Amino acid sequence: QVQLVESGGGVVQPGGSLRLSCAASGFTFTTYGMHWVRQAPGKGLEWVTFIRYDGSEKYYSDSVKGRFTISRDNSKHTLYLQMNSLRVEDTAVYYCAKEPYSGYDLYYFESWGQGTLLTVSS
Amino acid sequence: SYELTQPLSVSVALGQTATITCGGNSIGTKNVHWYQVKPGQAPMLVIYRDVNRPSGIPERFSGSNRENSGNTATLTISRAQAGDEADYYCQVWDSDIVIFGGGTKLTVL
Repeated sequence: QVQLVESGGGVVQPGGSLRLSCAASGFTFTTYGMHWVRQAPGKGLEWVTFIRYDGSEKYYSDSVKGRFTISRDNSKHTLYLQMNSLRVEDTAVYYCAKEPYSGYDLYYFESWGQGTLLTVSS
Repeated sequence: SYELTQPLSVSVALGQTATITCGGNSIGTKNVHWYQVKPGQAPMLVIYRDVNRPSGIPERFSGSNRENSGNTATLTISRAQAGDEADYYCQVWDSDIVIFGGGTKLTVL
C-alpha cells in the first residue's frame, strides 16, 4: 500500500534553513504529482507547494514563494522541500501528499504521510 | 484571491445527520474535495470531486456541489457516530494554487 514517510523536521532559528524529505513507496512514484501541506499548531490546513511527476511544473503558495523550493529525485522515490529564510510563522507539521492519478494533475490529496514537525524559534 | 468559508463548528446528536457547508464564489463550477482531520493523525480524504467517496469511506458520507446551490458545497454525514468527531476541511484548486477552507469542528453529542 501507499507509504509516505516524512523526515527532517526539527528546531531552527529564524532566518535559518532546513530540508525536509518524504520517502515514497507502494506506488509508482515517478508518475505521480506530489504536494507539501502544512498545519500550524491549533490552525487549519495550508497548502505549501506542488511538483508534477516529472518536475516540469511547480507551484507555490504566496506565503513561501521565493523562500521554499520543492524538488524530487525519482531515482530515489523521494520528495524534498528546501526551506530557507525561515520565519516563526513557518512553524507547523509538514505533510507530503500524493495526487490521486498517475500522469494527471488534479490537485487534491489521495494519500498523506504522518507529517514532520518544524519549529522555528530563537 | 479565492476564498472558502466554513462554519467554525457544527454539532450533531448521535445518530442524526450533520451538514457542513463550504461557501465560495461560483463554487459550483469547481471540484470540491473534503478531508477529515483527527488530533494527532494525518488528514484523510473523505469526498473527492464533489460527490465521490474513496474506497473505505462509509456511505454515510456524501457531498454535493450544484451550480444552483447558492455558492455553497456541502458535506453530509448521516447517522453520525462518535468516531466522526473531527475537523473537516473543504478544498479547491484555483489559479494555480490549492485553497482550503478554514475548517469546521464537528462535535457529536
